Amino acid sequence: DTAVSQTPKYLVTQMGNDKSIKCEQNLGHDTMYWYKQDSKKFLKIMFSYNNKELIINETVPNRFSPKSPDKAHLNLHINSLELGDSAVYFCASSQDGTGGNTIYFGEGSWLTVV
Amino acid sequence: GQNIDQPTEMTATEGAIVQINCTYQTSGFNGLFWYQQHAGEAPTFLSYNVLDGLEEKGRFSSFLSRSKGYSYLLLKELQMKDSASYLCAVGGNAGNMLTFGGGTRLMVKP
Repeated sequence: DTAVSQTPKYLVTQMGNDKSIKCEQNLGHDTMYWYKQDSKKFLKIMFSYNNKELIINETVPNRFSPKSPDKAHLNLHINSLELGDSAVYFCASSQDGTGGNTIYFGEGSWLTVV
Repeated sequence: GQNIDQPTEMTATEGAIVQINCTYQTSGFNGLFWYQQHAGEAPTFLSYNVLDGLEEKGRFSSFLSRSKGYSYLLLKELQMKDSASYLCAVGGNAGNMLTFGGGTRLMVKP
C-alpha cells in the first residue's frame, strides 16, 4: 500500500523534449513537495504546495512547472529538457506545511536526458 | 542561508557502534531530521529532534545541541542492512522546507 507514489520510475529522453512526472499520495496530507537529488546526492527542495496552493518555489528554471489538481496530486512538467536536468526527482508529502512535520518521500523518478 | 556539514563516508564493523556527526548553520531553526537512504531508494524517516538532548529509538539514537549547531546519529549493534546513506536535514523558517546535507555513506563490513 504505497503512501507516496510517482510515475514513471525511469525516464530516458532526448534534449529539447517535454516530459511529465506524476505524483499521488494517499496519506491525506495537505502539503506536497518536489525535491531534486543530483549526482552528488544533494537533495534540494524545488517546490512546495499546501492544499493545491504554491508555498515555496526555490530558484528553479521556469521550464519546470508543477501542477496540483487536488491536494493528493502534484505533477511536475518539464519543458525543453537539458542535459543538466538529469537527476532523481522525489515527490514527498507531509501532514501540513508547519515546521517539524515528517516528510514522506516517494520512490523517486530517475530522469536521464541524452 | 543554510549550511549543513556531515562526513562523506564512514566504515564500521558489524556489531559495532558508529556515530555520524552533523553540524549546521542556519538562519532559522525548526528541528533537525535524520533520514536513511539505501542506494536506489527513497529516503526514509529515522528521527526528529527539536529540543536539546538525546532521543532513543531502538538501535538508533539522535542527539541535538542547538547552541552548538550540532547533532549526531548513533547506530548500535550494526547490521549489514545498515549500509546506506544517512542524511541530516534542518527545518528552517519557511514552512516545512528542509535543507539537506550531502549525506554520509556508511559501509558496514563483516
